[in-house]
Amino acid sequence: AQTVTQSQPEMSVQEAETVTLSCTYDTSESDYYLFWYKQPPSRQMILVIRQEAYKQQNATENRFSVNFQKAAKSFSLKISDSQLGDAAMYFCAYRSATYQGAQKLVFGQGTRLTINP
Amino acid sequence: KAGVTQTPRYLIKTRGQQVTLSCSPISGHRSVSWYQQTPGQGLQFLFEYFSETQRNKGNFPGRFSGRQFSNSRSEMNVSTLELGDSALYLCASSLAPAVYNSPLHFGNGTRLTVT
Repeated sequence: AQTVTQSQPEMSVQEAETVTLSCTYDTSESDYYLFWYKQPPSRQMILVIRQEAYKQQNATENRFSVNFQKAAKSFSLKISDSQLGDAAMYFCAYRSATYQGAQKLVFGQGTRLTINP
Repeated sequence: KAGVTQTPRYLIKTRGQQVTLSCSPISGHRSVSWYQQTPGQGLQFLFEYFSETQRNKGNFPGRFSGRQFSNSRSEMNVSTLELGDSALYLCASSLAPAVYNSPLHFGNGTRLTVT
């Protein structure tokens, strides 16, 4: 079974600065997808960024980028120019590329990110 | 395009009762999955439905069940409620299981409190 570990329960950063959230995972599969979701107080899980395991290039979405290290099974999220609206719970998630497991996400425990003005 | 809609937003039930939660996926999405979120266990996969068939089930007791209708709307049911069932229940929809790159879109969840 796959597992996802987020070792930082809480992080804080000054507005406009950069912060990196850590995530490691364990799997025996070679093909899979990794995601970062944010969950603000509204409770809705919002997709921040995703990475296909077969792609060596790290994904980037505006101020959000990942550092994907497949051999190390590491998938960190970097938020540049942090904004107050980035404050939320961030979850790292794993999704199998097999047909049977395609809709099941395995989540980490989450990292609560606080932005200090 | 309307997002994933979950009803009700809040629910308070008594131990031993049963409850039904509803999820309407994004128009055109045919796959619906359910997750339970608690402070202790985090986010855990409950089950997934596609074309009115359960495709995948998480490690939950048989008291947790679900179904999907022909219009892709889904319901989940919890019978004989226990205090530990208090949680945020999240529904997610996507185009279809075979479309691997189709991301999951989540609703705002239903907060269930069991007293």
